[in-house]
Parts: sequence; C-alpha cells; structure tokens
Amino acid sequence: GENVEQHPSTLSVQEGDSAVIKCTYSDSASNYFPWYKQELGKRPQLIIDIRSNVGEKKDQRIAVTLNKTAKHFSLHITETQPEDSAVYFCAASIGYKLSFGAGTTVTVRA
Amino acid sequence: GAVVSQHPSRVICKSGTSVKIECRSLDFQATTMFWYRQFPKQSLMLMATSNEGSKATYEQGVEKDKFLINHASLTLSTLTVTSAHPEDSSFYICSAYDGKSTDTQYFGPGTRLTVL
Repeated sequence: GENVEQHPSTLSVQEGDSAVIKCTYSDSASNYFPWYKQELGKRPQLIIDIRSNVGEKKDQRIAVTLNKTAKHFSLHITETQPEDSAVYFCAASIGYKLSFGAGTTVTVRA
Repeated sequence: GAVVSQHPSRVICKSGTSVKIECRSLDFQATTMFWYRQFPKQSLMLMATSNEGSKATYEQGVEKDKFLINHASLTLSTLTVTSAHPEDSSFYICSAYDGKSTDTQYFGPGTRLTVL
C-alpha cells in the first residue's frame, strides 16, 4: 500500500516567518494530495489540496508544491501567525483511500 | 455545505460493554464513508471503508467482528465497538465524500472513547 513520510515532526517558527513541511509518497499511482490542519481534540480540516496534474497551488498564505517525478510534495505557510499553531498532516490518495503522514506539530512563537 | 456530524462526542464505558458511534452526512448523500482511529499524538489510521448497502471493507489488522460497521442509508454509518477494552480507548473519526468531488474527504468532529 501507499506509504507517506512527513518531516519534520515538530517545527517552531517566529511569528511572521515561513514554515515548510515536506512529504514523500511511495506509490506513483497516487493522484491526490491534501493537507489537513488539526487542533487538539478537533477534526482535521482541509486547508489546501493538489492533484497530480498540477505542480503548484496557492491560497493566500498557504501554498503546496508537487514533484511527481521525485514523489514528494510540500506545504508552505508564509507570514505565520499564532493561530497557525496546530498539527498538520499530509496525505496521498489512490482512488478513495487516504494514507496520512505522521504529522507535524507547528508552534508559532509570538 | 459538506457537513459531517458524529454522535456522541465523548463516551466513557466499562470494559466488556459495547459502544455505538454514529456518523451522519447532514447536507449531502454519502455512498462511501470512512472510519479512522487516532491515538494521542499519532496520525489517523484508516480502519475501514463503509459502503451504503454492502459490507464494509476493513484494513489489514482491524478485527471486523470487534468493530462492526453498518451503512444502512446514504446519510448514516455506524461503528460499534464490541466488548470494549482499555486498549480500544482512542479518538474515532469518520469522514465522507461530498458526492461532488471524488477526492475531497470531510471529517466528522470525532468521538473520544474511554474504556475503564
């Protein structure tokens, strides 16, 4: 099955700086790559996604890049704010099944 | 749109009892729903895929006789944890496709199960 690796496991950034989270996947058939933000005790919330026919997508302060050849994708958060502090999960999908990375705990220092 | 609810949000039960968790799609029909388990500070692990009108598909290592899934309608899937034990204590989350996209899953708020 699909194996998704996510790095780093923890990330501390100064408010206003950028945060980058990287994921790799194993199955070249994966064609959908969402990113979820999860606050403690809450549901995962979709923040951005990208499909395999696109190399980059941006939504305000959040961007995702995809390199199909290398089988890796990254989340970029610019101008970080305290409310960006949360656990972020990447995922890769083959058909209907999502495989999640281990998660990155992001802490934005004021 | 694309709202998924779960009930209950928290449940505490004694070891050996069974617990039923409901997952509902509130504003769309969901032919496929998914059940995940999340242990503290860990990722989401897919337990099973719930298909309306047919048997659920369980992931490797998930006991189908312990985690009973029923998807009797297009808006409701239930997960029953039978003969619960303390090691079953976890955060259980369901998700569903909204029927418009074949990719995007929307998650329910989760159910915190504590087995004493």
